[in-house]
Amino acid sequence: NAGVTQTPKFQVLKTGQSMTLQCAQDMNHEYMSWYRQDPGMGLRLIHYSVGAGITDQGEVPNGYNVSRSTTEDFPLRLLSAAPSQTSVYFCASSPDRMNTEAFFGQGTRLTVV
Amino acid sequence: SQQGEEDPQALSIQEGENATMNCSYKTSINNLQWYRQNSGRGLVHLILIRSNEREKHSGRLRVTLDTSKKSSSLLITASRAADTASYFCAYRSGGYQKVTFGTGTKLQVIP
Repeated sequence: NAGVTQTPKFQVLKTGQSMTLQCAQDMNHEYMSWYRQDPGMGLRLIHYSVGAGITDQGEVPNGYNVSRSTTEDFPLRLLSAAPSQTSVYFCASSPDRMNTEAFFGQGTRLTVV
Repeated sequence: SQQGEEDPQALSIQEGENATMNCSYKTSINNLQWYRQNSGRGLVHLILIRSNEREKHSGRLRVTLDTSKKSSSLLITASRAADTASYFCAYRSGGYQKVTFGTGTKLQVIP
């Protein structure tokens, strides 16, 4: 049981490049989400999903796309990377969106130059 | 922004002392959770308190919730060097499907 797995752990992109951050969970959780963490800002929600085929925007969705074709996977796509997207990205999952804890991946540190 | 506020932003104490950190939020909530983040790592869940609860304990952790003041506090008793980390509150509100995190308190416990 690996929990929540994020890949890659580190990535450097040039401005304008696109890439996909991968997130997979093996706990059969319905709820998955993506956050970015910047110094002094805490975690801010980018996108979330309440089940396969269902996604919605969080607080800071611009410049990011998501899809949820399976329960296990929730990839985050950067369409055209910008320096403002330099951040640490965390994926999280939980069995229920209301009253249970969330499990986090170890994060992806992304630098856009 | 609906982001919760935590204070203090940073806290430095001696091993054995108690550490208290506070979280204030802006909406009505279903529950409030506290998480710990060690440097460079993901967040780990510590404790959850429901909106109809006022206090909850787990080992050396004590959490209180005051829904009238829209605030919560986390107390770590008899702190250890291993408690050095950042601590975040997080909450869900109403039928809202999003979880909002506070800005975090960075705790340093000096041996």
